[in-house]
Amino acid sequence: DIVMTQSPDSLTVPLGERATINCKSSQSVFFSSNNKNYLAWYQQKPGQSPKLLIYWAFTRESGVPDRFSGSGSGTDFTLTISSLQAEDVAVYYCQQYYSSPPTFGGGTTVEIE
Amino acid sequence: QVQLQESGPGLVKPSETLSLTCAVSDYSISSGYYWGWIRQPPGKGLEWIGSIYHSGTTYYSPSLKSRVAISVDTSQNQLSLNLYSVTAADSAVYFCARLGGDILTSYFDYWGQGALVTVSS
Repeated sequence: DIVMTQSPDSLTVPLGERATINCKSSQSVFFSSNNKNYLAWYQQKPGQSPKLLIYWAFTRESGVPDRFSGSGSGTDFTLTISSLQAEDVAVYYCQQYYSSPPTFGGGTTVEIE
Repeated sequence: QVQLQESGPGLVKPSETLSLTCAVSDYSISSGYYWGWIRQPPGKGLEWIGSIYHSGTTYYSPSLKSRVAISVDTSQNQLSLNLYSVTAADSAVYFCARLGGDILTSYFDYWGQGALVTVSS
């Protein structure tokens, strides 16, 4: 199984500031034949189900604010919230879907300072 | 907008079978896509249980394969999860979800609200 490791476990950021979450996979999730990284990011607010934010490492899901962006390739990925808003308080998960079983990172909790 | 809704008993006794149903609306399962089950123990992370294609082909997590069965009922437009011989470690919120891109190796683009199942005598 591909192990996904997120850092930090939690993050406290002032309103309007940048939040950066890292995700590292135990092996590459880049598929050279289609030039895609099989990596997604989700947001989960308390008491809710996860919500897809980004797939293929940097493609934003429809309706997701453009302050959310994904970057990285191979084994190292980043989710950036450019200007943290109150409604962004949540746990964020990365997921690889390069190989079965699909696996998730342990989550990063983002809070407002 | 695809909608998914899990339902089933919230309490299951140890060694018995956990059974959940996921009703899908605003999309016909028989039209395509893979559908999956994911669980989340209280306060913990997400674990994939398995996925099923609309044709009925299934794929299971190796760690749960011996105890799980996922099926699809296209006439009712729903999928089901059975997890056998449960223990307290199976207590979790169980989500059903659709896999985007109509491929097995994919992200999950639509999720149900989740069903909390507690295993206890």
